[in-house]
Amino acid sequence: QVQLQESGPGLVKPSETLSLTCIVSGGSINNYYWSWVRQPAGKELEWLGRIYPTGSTNYNPSLESRVSLSLDTSRNQFSLKVMSVTAADTAIYYCARESRPGGYYRVFDTWGQGTLVTVSS
Amino acid sequence: DIQMTQSPSSLSASVGDRVTITCRASQSISGSLNWYQHKPGKGPKFLIYGISNLQTGVPSRFSGSGSGTEFALTITDLQPEDFATYYCQQSYGIPTFGGGTKVEIK
Repeated sequence: QVQLQESGPGLVKPSETLSLTCIVSGGSINNYYWSWVRQPAGKELEWLGRIYPTGSTNYNPSLESRVSLSLDTSRNQFSLKVMSVTAADTAIYYCARESRPGGYYRVFDTWGQGTLVTVSS
Repeated sequence: DIQMTQSPSSLSASVGDRVTITCRASQSISGSLNWYQHKPGKGPKFLIYGISNLQTGVPSRFSGSGSGTEFALTITDLQPEDFATYYCQQSYGIPTFGGGTKVEIK
């Protein structure tokens, strides 16, 4: 049973870079897409981007200029960076695995429990 | 982006009730509609993909339906563990989620 666990600072200062890592346990990071999703308090879930073990990435156009994903197959983990953060980036951040059950539709089939990141001075 | 609109935003129900949550997409999404259950302090749990296909292990009291831009999640015989927030999500384009429906105990 694959499990995901987010880690990183819970407090980031405005204008700095938010950095989080997701550790994948119980399975290989290979052969799947890996995503980050966030949810500000009282707001909708927002997909930030995905990365494949080859290094191929897709980003949400609304955040593309500030978001960067990376992946380390040797450590079975992947990471998120959000640059130049503001209070609007305060949210619970989730990492998630994407799969295609039935071979066609993409779903987020496994999620971490989430980590709250607050942007404040 | 494809906008996903869920209704209602919350509902109150009793154990044993049947509840239906609706989700509307701003354009056709070719059946790429998924449903998740979310409880506080946990990551969302994947329930249904492709409108109506249950994930392995999801109880049969959950069902999905719809086509085009209108979709629904129905829970029959509501159980205590079903009180949670439910989200629809489209995977046709850039992934987007509905605003959520909180199912509360009456």
